[in-house]
Amino acid sequence: GQNIDQPTEMTATEGAIVQINCTYQTSGFNGLFWYQQHAGEAPTFLSYNVLDGLEEKGRFSSFLSRSKGYSYLLLKELQMKDSASYLCAVMDSNYQLIWGAGTKLIIKP
Amino acid sequence: EAQVTQNPRYLITVTGKKLTVTCSQNMNHEYMSWYRQDPGLGLRQIYYSMNVEVTDKGDVPEGYKVSRKEKRNFPLILESPSPNQTSLYFCASSLLPGQGTDTQYFGPGTRLTVL
Repeated sequence: GQNIDQPTEMTATEGAIVQINCTYQTSGFNGLFWYQQHAGEAPTFLSYNVLDGLEEKGRFSSFLSRSKGYSYLLLKELQMKDSASYLCAVMDSNYQLIWGAGTKLIIKP
Repeated sequence: EAQVTQNPRYLITVTGKKLTVTCSQNMNHEYMSWYRQDPGLGLRQIYYSMNVEVTDKGDVPEGYKVSRKEKRNFPLILESPSPNQTSLYFCASSLLPGQGTDTQYFGPGTRLTVL
């Protein structure tokens, strides 16, 4: 079966760095996405990786290793507004999106 | 403004009463999806569509129907809703994979309660 694993919850301190990991097993691969979702709101797009390596966008970076079925989202200079759930999703060979359950990130002052 | 709209935003209904949740996008996107989100389970894809008249089942299609008669609209139909379909529903759209930006744009969500 297809599976996406990510930690349920993480805690970090304002101003620090946090890495959220995602491992996947899917039928084929057409890209990996990271989304941010605040409670009660729709997910918003953060990053997309289809080739191995690191993609950097301001305070957020995302890394992909297709051979290991592994990705991480790196958040730097954490702010209180970064408290949210972070969703990892993989598009399989049929262009179906498979989603992880999400990682709830708690930022403490 | 580029957006995905869903209606209604909130709905309380009773078992067996057919309902439709509408979804519309103004970005000329080919790819559209419906998801449900339940606590601890994350987003689960119900149906998706790669273009007009092309729809495919996602992870949890049972009890749902969709249609894609026009590019901009992708309604979700519950012919006979049951309490286990109580959930938060999201519609999303994007370009086809590999056609540039792969961002999925999500609608605001529809909170459905089936009594």
